[in-house]
Amino acid sequence: KQEVTQIPAALSVPEGENLVLNCSFTDSAIYNLQWFRQDPGKGLTSLLLIQSSQREQTSGRLNASLDKSSGRSTLYIAASQPGDSATYLCAGYGAGSYQLTFGKGTKLSVIP
Amino acid sequence: DVKVTQSSRYLVKRTGEKVFLECVQDMDHENMFWYRQDPGLGLRLIYFSYDVKMKEKGDIPEGYSVSREKKERFSLILESASTNQTSMYLCASSLSQGARGYGYTFGSGTRLTVV
Repeated sequence: KQEVTQIPAALSVPEGENLVLNCSFTDSAIYNLQWFRQDPGKGLTSLLLIQSSQREQTSGRLNASLDKSSGRSTLYIAASQPGDSATYLCAGYGAGSYQLTFGKGTKLSVIP
Repeated sequence: DVKVTQSSRYLVKRTGEKVFLECVQDMDHENMFWYRQDPGLGLRLIYFSYDVKMKEKGDIPEGYSVSREKKERFSLILESASTNQTSMYLCASSLSQGARGYGYTFGSGTRLTVV
């Protein structure tokens, strides 16, 4: 069964720093990978989707990449801001699967 | 803007009550999902549906059932609510796997407390 690990579990950085969040899958045969943001007590907001034919996606200050050979993904956040403070979750599934498997998330705090 | 709407933001129910959580999507998505989220355990899949009247068990279906009579609506039913079902419930939808560029869209969640 696919398992997803996110490292670190929590991260605190000063405003303006660039940072990297990591995600790894036990089964590297990832078909699609999605990064989400979750604010306290709220639902999940999709940030980036990397489809099966892609290696990375960018949106504004966010860049996500996927190395299918190793089953690892990174989310890069440039010039962090206090408004980036949230929990970030990665999730993915293999071909032929309907189910998205989630990591437990990285809780990010950006200190003004 | 595409949307997944969960009917209640907060619910408080008594032990033994039958509880209905409703989810509606306006994106004509084939797949719909119910997850629960608990501290330290992350998101766990309860049930999903890939078509009208179709349902599949997820990882933790015990104590729950679902109904999908129309494509846009997916209901989660707690047959007899118990305190260990106190949790955040999240609904999601997606296009079928053959569709290019699809991802999951989540609702804003329902915080259920069973007392």
